[in-house]
Amino acid sequence: AQSVTQPDIHITVSEGASLELRCNYSYGATPYLFWYVQSPGQGLQLLLKYFSGDTLVQGIKGFEAEFKRSQSSYNLRKPSVHWSDAAEYFCAVWRTDKLIFGTGTRLQVFP
Amino acid sequence: DSGVTQTPKHLITATGQRVTLRCSPRSGDLSVYWYQQSLDQGLQFLIQYYNGEERAKGNILERFSAQQFPDLHSELNLSSLELGDSALYFCASSVGPGQWGGVAKNIQYFGAGTRLSVL
Repeated sequence: AQSVTQPDIHITVSEGASLELRCNYSYGATPYLFWYVQSPGQGLQLLLKYFSGDTLVQGIKGFEAEFKRSQSSYNLRKPSVHWSDAAEYFCAVWRTDKLIFGTGTRLQVFP
Repeated sequence: DSGVTQTPKHLITATGQRVTLRCSPRSGDLSVYWYQQSLDQGLQFLIQYYNGEERAKGNILERFSAQQFPDLHSELNLSSLELGDSALYFCASSVGPGQWGGVAKNIQYFGAGTRLSVL
């Protein structure tokens, strides 16, 4: 069965530091991958998507993600984290009309 | 603002009761999806409607049902509520279903959710 794994439940970084959130997927064909962010009390906001083509995808808020087929990964990165980036981040794979989500990574940012 | 509207934002009710959650999709979107977010199960797909018809079903309990109306808004009905139904319920919308529209038309935009507390 298709699945998405986010190995890190909780990550803490200092403001200004770089960030990488890991996502691994299990899917036979070329996956369609997404990153969503959920701020406290908010819904899910789409950060990036990967369908095909360039494996490095630029998203909103300065985020980028790189698709690596050989590693079955779609990690989310940001060169310099801002305090407002504190939130929960979800990786998801699209599979026949639905999104399958990972368990999420909660990001805490220290000043 | 995603353009997807969910009401109410919070709902507190008792076990055994029935509630209705409402979702208005983004203008122009024909598909509506319902997801449940709970601490133990994470984010789980419940059901999808496209242009008024049920298109896909996920881990939706028999006590739960949904429908999409001619004006494309959708309602999720939860009955015989149990403590374990307490969760955040999200609605999402997209232009169309994947098979016909391609995945680009299936980017899902989420509402802010309805937090259900069953006491």
